[in-house]
Amino acid sequence: EDQVTQSPEALRLQEGESSSLNCSYTVSGLRGLFWYRQDPGKGPEFLFTLYSAGEEKEKERLKATLTKKESFLHITAPKPEDSATYLCAVQAGWGSGGSNYKLTFGKGTLLTVNP
Amino acid sequence: DTGVSQDPRHKITKRGQNVTFRCDPISEHNRLYWYRQTLGQGPEFLTYFQNEAQLEKSRLLSNRFSAERPKGSFSTLEIQRTEQGDSAMYLCASSIHRDQETQYFGPGTRLLVL
Repeated sequence: EDQVTQSPEALRLQEGESSSLNCSYTVSGLRGLFWYRQDPGKGPEFLFTLYSAGEEKEKERLKATLTKKESFLHITAPKPEDSATYLCAVQAGWGSGGSNYKLTFGKGTLLTVNP
Repeated sequence: DTGVSQDPRHKITKRGQNVTFRCDPISEHNRLYWYRQTLGQGPEFLTYFQNEAQLEKSRLLSNRFSAERPKGSFSTLEIQRTEQGDSAMYLCASSIHRDQETQYFGPGTRLLVL
C-alpha cells in the first residue's frame, strides 16, 4: 500500500527564515510526486509535479526536489503570505495494482510565517 | 475563472438525511476524482471517472455513497442516510488523461452532519 509521511507536522518561521519540509514516500513504482498548498477552508492548490529522482522545480520562493525515497520543499526567505498547509501526494505507476491515477496524500505540514 | 467548481460550498444536515453534491470540472478534462478530507488529515481518494465511466471506488466508499457522471461532464456525489462520521470536506478534482497528468482541485463542499 502506498504511504506518504510528512514532517514536521507544524513549522513556525520568522519572515525571511529559510527552511525545508520533508515528504517520505513508499510506492510501487512512482508515476509522479505532487506538492499542493492548502489555505484554511479551501481546496488544495497545485504547486509542482516531480517525476524522477534528481528532478527539481522552482516557483518564486519555493523549490521542490526529489530522490528515490523522499522529496523536499525548500522555502527561501518566506513571507507571511506563504503561511498555509503544504500537502505532498504520490501517484503510483503501472503494475502497482488498483488505481494508477489516484493520489495518496500525507497529512500535510502546517507552515506559519510570522512578520 | 474556468477552474473546478463545486456546489454547495457548505451543507448542514441532520443524521439520516440524504445529501447530494455537484462538481463541474475544468472543461475538456475527461477525468474527475472525488476525495474526502477530515480535519488534520490529507485528502483520501473515494472514486474516479474517465468520461462517464466510473473506473474505481475506494474501500472507504460504503454502499451509502454513490457517484455519477452521466454525460461525462459534471458529476454528483450522493450520501444516503448520513451519519455523523460523514462530516468532512468533500473535494472534487479534474485532469486530462495523459501519461503525466495533474489533478486540479475545486474549493470543496464542507458537510456537517448533526
